[in-house]
Amino acid sequence: EAQVTQNPRYLITVTGKKLTVTCSQNMNHEYMSWYRQDPGLGLRQIYYSMNVEVTDKGDVPEGYKVSRKEKRNFPLILESPSPNQTSLYFCASSVYRGTQYFGPGTRLTVL
Amino acid sequence: QQQVKQSPQSLIVQKGGISIINCAYENTAFDYFPWYQQFPGKGPALLIAIRPDVSEKKEGRFTISFNKSAKQFSLHIMDSQPGDSATYFCAALTQGGSEKLVFGKGTKLTVNP
Repeated sequence: EAQVTQNPRYLITVTGKKLTVTCSQNMNHEYMSWYRQDPGLGLRQIYYSMNVEVTDKGDVPEGYKVSRKEKRNFPLILESPSPNQTSLYFCASSVYRGTQYFGPGTRLTVL
Repeated sequence: QQQVKQSPQSLIVQKGGISIINCAYENTAFDYFPWYQQFPGKGPALLIAIRPDVSEKKEGRFTISFNKSAKQFSLHIMDSQPGDSATYFCAALTQGGSEKLVFGKGTKLTVNP
């Protein structure tokens, strides 16, 4: 089954404790992105990647890091999480200028 | 600044009615306009999309109308059903190789039985 998977689905952590949210796709897509969704703000792009080792900032990259060492994986790293990063996070993948397929989401709470 | 403005924020219609959601943009470099549908607890899923060289695209009960000169596009849901109750996002993609998708803030649609 073609899909984007994210782990963990739910995470509660404390300020300053480094965490990684994993994202994997099995569709051989070149493009992968991370978004955060907040009430009243919609979906905002954090980072995107056009291929292995090629990443670029989205609209809200501050406080986040990404890496793309393999085509199928695109982890999101929060080196020192803060409460304002409490949000619902989505990973997505696509072929060039095609449909973006979203994962099921990761609900992160930073205390 | 918000690049894609979406309205209304919420919408309630009766079963069988027409739901209309509007979006406006400023950046003329946008050249692909998808709509995504999101059910509670799920990720968004592509519903329908249009390119600016087409004024209308229809897929079943869902229609996108596109007005290039006004820089506006809208989603029409005909014969709305309770199963259409979801949050709808319009979005825009910039030409030139970037996959930077810009979303509107979303419209929560409720279709009453």
